[in-house]
Amino acid sequence: KAGVTQTPRYLIKTRGQQVTLSCSPISGHRSVSWYQQTPGQGLQFLFEYFSETQRNKGNFPGRFSGRQFSNSRSEMNVSTLELGDSALYLCASSADQVRADGYTFGSGTRLTVV
Amino acid sequence: GENVEQHPSTLSVQEGDSAVIKCTYSDSASNYFPWYKQELGKGPQLIIDIRSNVGEKKDQRIAVTLNKTAKHFSLHITETQPEDSAVYFCAASMDSNYQLIWGAGTKLIIKP
Repeated sequence: KAGVTQTPRYLIKTRGQQVTLSCSPISGHRSVSWYQQTPGQGLQFLFEYFSETQRNKGNFPGRFSGRQFSNSRSEMNVSTLELGDSALYLCASSADQVRADGYTFGSGTRLTVV
Repeated sequence: GENVEQHPSTLSVQEGDSAVIKCTYSDSASNYFPWYKQELGKGPQLIIDIRSNVGEKKDQRIAVTLNKTAKHFSLHITETQPEDSAVYFCAASMDSNYQLIWGAGTKLIIKP
């Protein structure tokens, strides 16, 4: 079966611009989580969506937002980009509402802000 | 809330030797502990996991042990090979709160 698909794979943006990243979960998965990964910072949790509702949120400024559609595809948006937003953005999907097993990551979108 | 500490941050071992990465967690209610491997340019991939009703689980050269009393769990890789070089992440979660809490990661280097 197809895995988690993230688009685009690479992106270069200018400071002050905004960006939208897309994540298509594994078919049948209803939960999508987003992470920011920078060198030396590990996996920083952004937010998680389940059935179009944001269920959990990490400690990121309001410039970071997301949404989930009825087909479980999710998008995250970053407005007013800063140089420090340069990172690998990962999404992960899971089938079950309350169990973390089966949590599968995509390959990520590498965002560079110049 | 739950907190997961992972050590060491970098581990360098000779090819063929064993590698051990340790994680400790703070919330005794945590009951699911996965390990993920992240290769360069890829997202993390689940390699093994364990639930709190089991003390040890093996899958070929990889094993995970869990000590609920001490609240720590470890990843053991035997007969290491060059393809084991990657960053490894541990995590913990509990069924009552669907959220994985992650360790900071361990960069494993296999020396030829």
